[in-house]
Amino acid sequence: DTEVTQTPKHLVMGMTNKKSLKCEQHMGHRAMYWYKQKAKKPPELMFVYSYEKLSINESVPSRFSPECPNSSLLNLHLHALQPEDSALYLCASSLGYGEQFFGPGTRLTVL
Amino acid sequence: SQQGEEDPQALSIQEGENATMNCSYKTSINNLQWYRQNSGRGLVHLILIRSNEREKHSGRLRVTLDTSKKSSSLLITASRAADTASYFCAPETYDKVIFGPGTSLSVIP
Repeated sequence: DTEVTQTPKHLVMGMTNKKSLKCEQHMGHRAMYWYKQKAKKPPELMFVYSYEKLSINESVPSRFSPECPNSSLLNLHLHALQPEDSALYLCASSLGYGEQFFGPGTRLTVL
Repeated sequence: SQQGEEDPQALSIQEGENATMNCSYKTSINNLQWYRQNSGRGLVHLILIRSNEREKHSGRLRVTLDTSKKSSSLLITASRAADTASYFCAPETYDKVIFGPGTSLSVIP
């Protein structure tokens, strides 16, 4: 299985809501990533988990909270988001270097 | 700051023509990767070239790397309408990959 899955595909939330994005892979990859992508821009790295430990945090606001329950799962908890946080959120996995496998993304709209 | 910078930002060609995209980066790298993204979807890995390689081929793709100039190019030969997408270079340092701003390619049937 060479697929990274993400749920939900679309999410609309208010600024006071709490929601979570989910990502799953079964390729035995030990590194997992969250990226944020605005329209017509490249993906921006938010977090990297390596062997289930947070190894890179690109100074992302605390209203985004990552969690890696095990080597196959990666969550992104969202709380008190702002309209400017509306974007495509991409999950990816890799062996820890080289080719990254991306999920289809979650399209987030914050009202 | 972004590791990769791409040129051109947008490219429109006729089907059957070749498309060339260029990427420049700033620091030492372990490898450089190219990805494709169809509108609003996840990225797809195209090719990886290691820092000690100068050229690599994969099907209709040809990638070059010049570490002395800190630059790379992606050539797509005999383009097809299905090649219409955004293309990102992604230099990888010791700990992460940073995506360049991308080239938007339109292939007109």
